[in-house]
Amino acid sequence: DSGVTQTPKHLITATGQRVTLRCSPRSGDLSVYWYQQSLDQGLQFLIHYYNGEERAKGNILERFSAQQFPDLHSELNLSSLELGDSALYFCASSGQDIPYGYTFGSGTRLTVV
Amino acid sequence: GENVEQHPSTLSVQEGDSAVIKCTYSDSASNYFPWYKQELGKGPQLIIDIRSNVGEKKDQRIAVTLNKTAKHFSLHITETQPEDSAVYFCAVYSGGYQKVTFGTGTKLQVIP
Repeated sequence: DSGVTQTPKHLITATGQRVTLRCSPRSGDLSVYWYQQSLDQGLQFLIHYYNGEERAKGNILERFSAQQFPDLHSELNLSSLELGDSALYFCASSGQDIPYGYTFGSGTRLTVV
Repeated sequence: GENVEQHPSTLSVQEGDSAVIKCTYSDSASNYFPWYKQELGKGPQLIIDIRSNVGEKKDQRIAVTLNKTAKHFSLHITETQPEDSAVYFCAVYSGGYQKVTFGTGTKLQVIP
């Protein structure tokens, strides 16, 4: 157990729907990073939050949004889902505002049908 | 943006042999180079990292070497064991709020 908790582990949903993925960082970590992992794209950075504030955005679609709450857990919202959004979604946490030494969660496997 | 190339994409070695995975990067300002191991069904796990002011770092059977001039760094695994079988990712960080860029991964298979 890495200490980073992601729920749910698996999610199957239809095209056009909206889902919310949840991440609880390791105790004491203030940074949460979201990544998308697909077979042909590898690990793609989506977004980074530090202590509730957005710090950096990567290749995140406009249909996707995220936030980090006062208790430091984070949610990634995916809407108007398309087949191509099927992937593993990982969050990682770190104790600093910079990504030294990520700890990844075990991921959420999203399947859009 | 940063461009990270990782080779080989797949690697098969006999148990007890060594394995070497290499990554090249483009941004000379990059200063942090971690390696992650991802086992089936799990998230990537940090196994070793190196900063730009260090040329080599070892941790038991794992070592990382960095050549800043040539802009490449390598993961070395000695005395490989079946439990080393996994996908290995290199990553590069360039500072500030820049993202970490991951390599495309190397699937290592250690044959007993």
